[in-house]
Amino acid sequence: GAVVSQHPSWVICKSGTSVKIECRSLDFQATTMFWYRQFPKQSLMLMATSNEGSKATYEQGVEKDKFLINHASLTLSTLTVTSAHPEDSSFYICSARDGTAYNEQFFGPGTRLTVL
Amino acid sequence: DQQVKQNSPSLSVQEGRISILNCDYTNSMFDYFLWYKKYPAEGPTFLISISSIKDKNEDGRFTVFLNKSAKHLSLHIVPSQPGDSAVYFCAASRNSNYQLIWGAGTKLIIKP
Repeated sequence: GAVVSQHPSWVICKSGTSVKIECRSLDFQATTMFWYRQFPKQSLMLMATSNEGSKATYEQGVEKDKFLINHASLTLSTLTVTSAHPEDSSFYICSARDGTAYNEQFFGPGTRLTVL
Repeated sequence: DQQVKQNSPSLSVQEGRISILNCDYTNSMFDYFLWYKKYPAEGPTFLISISSIKDKNEDGRFTVFLNKSAKHLSLHIVPSQPGDSAVYFCAASRNSNYQLIWGAGTKLIIKP
């Protein structure tokens, strides 16, 4: 199946710093990539949808100035958590949609962010 | 408003027996349903899907049943194996929209 990677797999940072998370589709071109956040024992919450070469579409309640998303190529999307605070600590997961597979999204392994 | 519901937060099943995970939805416009499996600290892995034009889809040990009139779908795993222990999410979408609406997940524990 299609492979999606994320880097880093975990990161610890100080409050006020910015953290960039990369999401790559390794063996296919992803026209659309998604960023999710998962709180402990809860479902995945879609944060934003990014299409290559255009601005991301953010879900209601997600601050676009805080969570910057860039989808510069068909295989790479980045999420930057700016001025991170402890409440931003979470598990962030990206997924990529293979344009030929109806509604199937392939997920990355996730990134554990801990803000001290 | 929670459009996709998985009312059982956890389920414990003996190895070798059948595991049945349930999912209910409220939006009759949903036309595609998917099941994902997730291990701790990993991303979800696609398992099986079903279109609303079908009522059953089978792939090896996994079978998904869809009852549109009841707005209910279920995932059957038989026989259950220890490696099946994970959290299972159902998700739904409509009108070829790629946006998935997720249930809260059910933690499946397979007892040896």
